[in-house]
Amino acid sequence: SQQGEEDPQALSIQEGENATMNCSYKTSINNLQWYRQNSGRGLVHLILIRSNEREKHSGRLRVTLDTSKKSSSLLITASRAADTASYFCATDAGNQFYFGTGTSLTVIP
Amino acid sequence: NAGVMQNPRHLVRRRGQEARLRCSPMKGHSHVYWYRQLPEEGLKFMVYLQKENIIDESGMPKERFSAEFPKEGPSILRIQQVVRGDSAAYFCASSPRNGANVLTFGAGSRLTVL
Repeated sequence: SQQGEEDPQALSIQEGENATMNCSYKTSINNLQWYRQNSGRGLVHLILIRSNEREKHSGRLRVTLDTSKKSSSLLITASRAADTASYFCATDAGNQFYFGTGTSLTVIP
Repeated sequence: NAGVMQNPRHLVRRRGQEARLRCSPMKGHSHVYWYRQLPEEGLKFMVYLQKENIIDESGMPKERFSAEFPKEGPSILRIQQVVRGDSAAYFCASSPRNGANVLTFGAGSRLTVL
């Protein structure tokens, strides 16, 4: 299976702190994406990083990609209570998008 | 410009009945993906379709499950003779073309099998 795995499974932080989530995958990819899922809702695309990129920023989000280690990290800076959600990485390797098992982030006000 | 529309949002079926889940992709999108999510788990790929074609169904169970995306109308995920293990959230996503990279998801259909 190409499915990625996020680490940690759950993360609880205080508002204002930074949150870091990691994703590992198994095979070569075209790109890697991060999605967010609020409880009971569908997934929302956050950011995409291509296989030839090492780092990308979008607002309070910073994503890194290390293809030699087959891993990626998502950093959310200055977290807010509204960032509470599950975060998934997804890898694109042809016809399919493979999703990881997710990190459940709780930001405590 | 409506997003990906899924219905029903909630569906309750008894064991042995049929479940039909519908997905209308975002306007201008011709590629549809179906995923299943069990409680506290990630999304499992089921099937990828274009209009009138199944491109990849490697994630679909061999029996009881089928999917279609007709020339006109929504994509349908059909589960025959449902069992309790089919209880899950089923998400549909669409993209404008293969290799478009970004998926737009619907809100999901939650199937409960009694």
